[in-house]
Amino acid sequence: QVQVVESGGGVVQPGGSLRLSCVVSGFTFRSYAMHWVRQAPGKGLQWVAYIAYDGRSQRFADSVKGRFSISRDNSKNTLYLQMDSLRVDDTAVYYCARQDMAYWGQGTLVTVSS
Amino acid sequence: EIVLTQSPATLSLSPGERATLSCRASQSVNSYLAWYKHKPGQAPRLLIYDASNRATGIPARFSGSGSGTDFTLTISSLEPEDFAVYYCQQRSDWPLTFGPGTKIEIK
Repeated sequence: QVQVVESGGGVVQPGGSLRLSCVVSGFTFRSYAMHWVRQAPGKGLQWVAYIAYDGRSQRFADSVKGRFSISRDNSKNTLYLQMDSLRVDDTAVYYCARQDMAYWGQGTLVTVSS
Repeated sequence: EIVLTQSPATLSLSPGERATLSCRASQSVNSYLAWYKHKPGQAPRLLIYDASNRATGIPARFSGSGSGTDFTLTISSLEPEDFAVYYCQQRSDWPLTFGPGTKIEIK
């Protein structure tokens, strides 16, 4: 049974940092690329970042480029999203999803507010 | 960036009725188009990938069609659990983009 569990969300002030984690089980994590996708309150889905199965290739949405970084630890079946210089408009539920987006977590809420 | 437009924004239908949702891309995405269902507080669920392939476990009442710039998701007979927001997404080019969604609400 596939499980995808995000954690690390919370309330942070503008300009602050947060690191999200996503722990996966039920499939061979090291064989799949992964994505982060977010949904701001009352808005639709927005793709945020991608990392290849081996971590060697990464892509970012323009809105987060230079502020967010993505990484993974295949020995721990864990995906990360390091978010720096956070802005109010980064407030959202952040989901991690497998390469083919067939599996998603329930999301973790990040609130950026003073 | 490839922009996806979905129509209508809201569809008011009754259980048992047929739903037809449209997604249009600003440039060709070939067949690299997926559809998702999303309910509040839940993870999005992949319904259709590569325009017309049902994902694992998705009922046959869901079907997708189209290629290039125009795509359709059809739900042949709405079940109570189908009332949700539906998004299309292109995987043809970076950045990956989603449409703004179509909400199917109970009439």
